[in-house]
Order: sequence, then structure tokens, then C-alpha cells
Amino acid sequence: DTGVSQDPRHKITKRGQNVTFRCDPISEHNRLYWYRQTLGQGPEFLTYFQNEAQLEKSRLLSDRFSAERPKGSFSTLEIQRTEQGDSAMYLCATRVGDNQPQHFGDGTRLSIL
Amino acid sequence: DQQVKQNSPSLSVQEGRISILNCDYTNSMFDYFLWYKKYPAEGPTFLISISSIKDKNEDGRFTVFLNKSAKHLSLHIVPSQPGDSAVYFCAASDTSGTYKYIFGTGTRLKVLA
Repeated sequence: DTGVSQDPRHKITKRGQNVTFRCDPISEHNRLYWYRQTLGQGPEFLTYFQNEAQLEKSRLLSDRFSAERPKGSFSTLEIQRTEQGDSAMYLCATRVGDNQPQHFGDGTRLSIL
Repeated sequence: DQQVKQNSPSLSVQEGRISILNCDYTNSMFDYFLWYKKYPAEGPTFLISISSIKDKNEDGRFTVFLNKSAKHLSLHIVPSQPGDSAVYFCAASDTSGTYKYIFGTGTRLKVLA
């Protein structure tokens, strides 16, 4: 499978706990995006990496959220002190260059109890 | 502030007929537009894109039309097949920046056999 891989597929946790999601991009895709999708909405942009550099963060990304891409390959998204409103599908997308579409993983569904 | 709008939450079409999905945008800086298809429990799958220098792009049964003056794009599927039943998202991007996508809220297409 050479697509974008996300792990875990589902995460259920109690309010206040920390969670971390991982995204493995398609090989050679140096641009990586995180999006969040809630019920009835389209995906909303969270953050963007070019190689290991985080070049843009949405105002949706509060101080409780942090994303990394340490070696320009896989990326992690951590949410600290989770809240009910964090329940959503978290999607990772990657692309190889300009004028190429983003390819999405199947997402991590987060449920906060 | 919804910069990309899909005003029809759902659409039903008979198999073999044409499906037309519509999308409007407000930001004149958008210059790259895409359509994604999404099945339940999967990430969005890229369908077709169009640059603002064109007004039409075709790929098999799928055609995207762009009317820049009206800030409107549409996706035509001909002929529609039951396997096309899914949620379709319109996305727009300003390619002078990070190529992040702004998505509409989606249209659920049901193709009736």
C-alpha cells in the first residue's frame, strides 16, 4: 500500500487526556497537511509542513495542539487536555509538488467521552 | 465566513443520467479548484481539478466547469453509475501560498439503479 497511512484509525479517550496521532506520507511527498472534519462539514485546514518546517498554522490550532515532522517524513499531531469539542475526524494529506493534488489518508476518528 | 459553498446537501439521480454538482466561492484569490469524493470511513479521494486559466477540464465521465466571473464551478458526471454514490466535496486553493484547501460542506449524491 503506497497511500497515506494514518494511525490509529479510531481513538476513544476521556476528557482531559492527551492523544497523539501519526501520519506516514506517500514516499517522496515533501508537503504534508493536517485537517479536521466534523459532522456535516468539509475538512478544515489545521497546519502545513514543507519537509520538516511547519510553515502555516490555522487559528483553529489552539495552544493544546502541537504538530511535528521531525525528519521530514512522518508527522505527529498531539492534543493535550482533550475537550469534548475535539471530537472529530483528523485527516492527513500529502502532495509531491506544485499543481499536484493532495492525497488523503483515511483519517483518525477521535471520540471524547 | 464560508468561502466555499455547496448549497445542495443532497442530490438523487437515475442511473445513466447526468449528475450536476455545484459550488460557489467568494475569495477572488482562489486560482485552483478540485473535486473530491468521499465514501464512509474513508478519506477524500481526488477526482478532478481545474486551474483558473481554464474554464473546462475533462477526465472520462467527469467534467469540471469554471465560471470565474460568477465565482462558480460545477462537476458533471455522465453517465451516472450506482458506484458514484458518495459525498462530493468542492475545494479551492490560493496557489500563491501553501496550497492549503478550503472545502465546501459537501453534497451527498445518490445514484438510483
